[in-house]
Amino acid sequence: AQKITQTQPGMFVQEKEAVTLDCTYDTSDPSYGLFWYKQPSSGEMIFLIYQGSYDQQNATEGRYSLNFQKARKSANLVISASQLGDSAMYFCAMLDNTDKLIFGTGTRLQVFP
Amino acid sequence: EAGVAQSPRYKIIEKRQSVAFWCNPISGHATLYWYQQILGQGPKLLIQFQNNGVVDDSQLPKDRFSAERLKGVDSTLKIQPAKLEDSAVYLCASSLSLDTQYFGPGTRLTVL
Repeated sequence: AQKITQTQPGMFVQEKEAVTLDCTYDTSDPSYGLFWYKQPSSGEMIFLIYQGSYDQQNATEGRYSLNFQKARKSANLVISASQLGDSAMYFCAMLDNTDKLIFGTGTRLQVFP
Repeated sequence: EAGVAQSPRYKIIEKRQSVAFWCNPISGHATLYWYQQILGQGPKLLIQFQNNGVVDDSQLPKDRFSAERLKGVDSTLKIQPAKLEDSAVYLCASSLSLDTQYFGPGTRLTVL
């Protein structure tokens, strides 16, 4: 069965530092997509970054980058230069070949001054 | 470009009452999804529409939940009758097929 695992319930990082949020996945499909979403306390899920299973290079979007290690089935999110506004829940998700998005349990990130 | 719209943002009802949520997807997005997110968990797909047809409703509790997408645009999700365990955030998302899903702000339902 397809599954997303986020082992860090919570993370703390000081402002302007970098932080890595872990995500591992399990699938037997050769074609899949990996996503990271941010969910602030307001509740909306905000799309951050996408990595396709056939993409050769790691995805980057501004301060967000995805450390994709296919052999290890990991897709960690790296946030550089953390800001106070980055404090939120972060969800890793996988899109399978039936267009179904499967989410992990999330990591709560808190950025302190 | 306008995002996914949902209403209401918050709803409080008593158990056994009925409730309905509305979603307007991003213009041109053929695929629409309803998710249920219980506190402390990731979202769980309830139902997926492609235009006005149902693609997947395998996790929709059909004895009490129903959803429709008339004319392939707006969608409504209804719960009747509500139970305490239905307290959750209900998220609507839309996408071009097999593409990034964009979410609305969600409806936070509290069942007393």
